[in-house]
Order: sequence, then structure tokens, then C-alpha cells
Amino acid sequence: DSGVTQTPKHLITATGQRVTLRCSPRSGDLSVYWYQQSLDQGLQFLIQYYNGEERAKGNILERFSAQQFPDLHSELNLSSLELGDSALYFCASSQGQGLEKLFFGSGTQLSVL
Amino acid sequence: DQQVKQNSPSLSVQEGRISILNCDYTNSMFDYFLWYKKYPAEGPTFLISISSIKDKNEDGRFTVFLNKSAKHLSLHIVPSQPGDSAVYFCAARSGNTPLVFGKGTRLSVIA
Repeated sequence: DSGVTQTPKHLITATGQRVTLRCSPRSGDLSVYWYQQSLDQGLQFLIQYYNGEERAKGNILERFSAQQFPDLHSELNLSSLELGDSALYFCASSQGQGLEKLFFGSGTQLSVL
Repeated sequence: DQQVKQNSPSLSVQEGRISILNCDYTNSMFDYFLWYKKYPAEGPTFLISISSIKDKNEDGRFTVFLNKSAKHLSLHIVPSQPGDSAVYFCAARSGNTPLVFGKGTRLSVIA
């Protein structure tokens, strides 16, 4: 158990809908990262938050947004969903701003039908 | 443009033999490299890492080799065990930038 909790584990929704994925980092970790794993793709970095502030941005679509709350949990909001958004979404956490190894949650499998 | 490439989607090895997983990168600014292992229905877990100032790092059955001039690294598992069957991801970063991952190699260790 990595100590990183992601909910829900599975999510099935329709095109055009909006969903929220939730992540609780390991106790004491200040950074949260979101990664997307699509079919035939590696883990694509989406966004990083450190202690409530956006720290780095990757290939995140404008339809997607994220935030980190004062209790350090994070949410990834995906809107106007398309079939191509179907993927495994991972959250990871680390103590600091990125020089440490990442601990990953078990992911949320999103299926857009 | 993929900065970290794992050109072999899959690899099968007999139990007890050596498994060699390869990874190539294009960004010469990368200074730290990691391997993560992923079992089905679980998140990736850290396996081993290497700094760009080294060319080898060993941890038990796992050894990572780095060839900076070739922009290539490899993970050796000796001896391979059935429990090593998983997807292995190579990752790299420059300074404290977020990790860039390859697409992964699925290793199957056959008993």
C-alpha cells in the first residue's frame, strides 16, 4: 500500500459529461501529481500541485482542471468528456517539490461511452 | 515527441535467466533516471534509480546501467522470478521537473 488513496476506482460516464477524480496524498507529502495512461501510451504528466499552488503543467487539456485543497487532497475535474478521454488516471505524491521518488495511487479507470 | 522511449512493448524470459529491459532518451538535460514496476490493478511502484553522475546502480537482483553518450539505460534482473512479471516503466527528469515516463515494457517470466 503506497499510502496514496484515489477514488473512485472505476467511473463510467457518457460523452459531454463532467466528472471529478479525488486523491489523498501520503501523510506528510506536500506535492500531488496527476498522470494519464491511455491505451498504448505511457504515463502522460498532466499537472503538479505543491502545498496548494500549481507547480508544473504538462499536457493537460483546457477541458481539464485540478486543484489542491488546504488539507492537501487534490481533485481532477474533467468536463465535456470525449471518447478519447477514456484512460487510467493516476495520482502520485511526494514530500517536496520533485527531487524525491513518487508514490502512486492505484488509479481511477475512466470509461467514456 | 517522446522523450523517453521503451521500444520493446513486451519481453518473455525463463525463470532463473537474466531479463534486460531497455530505455532510450532524447533530452540531454535529464539528470536522474528511475524504473517503476506496475502490477495489474495497482499503481506503479518505485524500483531503482540512477543519477547521471553514475553509470551503474545495484540493488539486490536489480541493476540499472546508464550510458550517457548513447542516451541509453537498461535494467537487468538476475535471476528472473515469476513474481517479476509486470510492466516496467522507465522515467527521467531534469532537476525537479516532473517525471517523464516511457510507454512501458511488459515482462513475462515463465516458470
